[in-house]
Amino acid sequence: AQSVAQPEDQVNVAEGNPLTVKCTYSVSGNPYLFWYVQYPNRGLQFLLKYITGDNLVKGSYGFEAEFNKSQTSFHLKKPSALVSDSALYFCAVRDNDMRFGAGTRLTVKP
Amino acid sequence: DSGVTQTPKHLITATGQRVTLRCSPRSGDLSVYWYQQSLDQGLQFLIQYYNGEERAKGNILERFSAQQFPDLHSELNLSSLELGDSALYFCASSVRWTGSSGANVLTFGAGSRLTVL
Repeated sequence: AQSVAQPEDQVNVAEGNPLTVKCTYSVSGNPYLFWYVQYPNRGLQFLLKYITGDNLVKGSYGFEAEFNKSQTSFHLKKPSALVSDSALYFCAVRDNDMRFGAGTRLTVKP
Repeated sequence: DSGVTQTPKHLITATGQRVTLRCSPRSGDLSVYWYQQSLDQGLQFLIQYYNGEERAKGNILERFSAQQFPDLHSELNLSSLELGDSALYFCASSVRWTGSSGANVLTFGAGSRLTVL
């Protein structure tokens, strides 16, 4: 079965610094990978997806993710973090259903 | 507003009781998914429907059941409730089901928070 892992429960960065939220995957065949964000008391919102093609995927709110096949990773990145980026981030992989990682709580401090 | 509507937003009930959570998918979406989010277990996939038919099943307890109706809305029934069932229950929808070709993007509702006392 397909799966994703998010090795960090918590990531803290200062506003204006670059941020990275890590995700590794385990799939057979070509992976369909996603990032979602959850703000407090809200449902998950789609950020970006990787299907095929360019390894650097650009998404909403200035986020991007880099697909690395040799390292089986799909890390979420942003060049300059905002306090408003503080939220819970989920990596996901498509199987017969959509499987989510455990989530990483990002805190951006002013 | 994501277009996926879940009711009720909050529900408090007692152990042993039964509740029904309702979800209306985004207009045009045929597939509905149910997820349970608890503090200690993250986001757990429960079940998926496509155009009224069950398509995938996750870690859904036998005390839980769901269905998707002809008008495409879905209901998740939780019975013989236990304290551990307290969680946020999310519904999501997409145009196609995840086993089909392509990379479906799920649109999530705001969730139903269930508290079992």
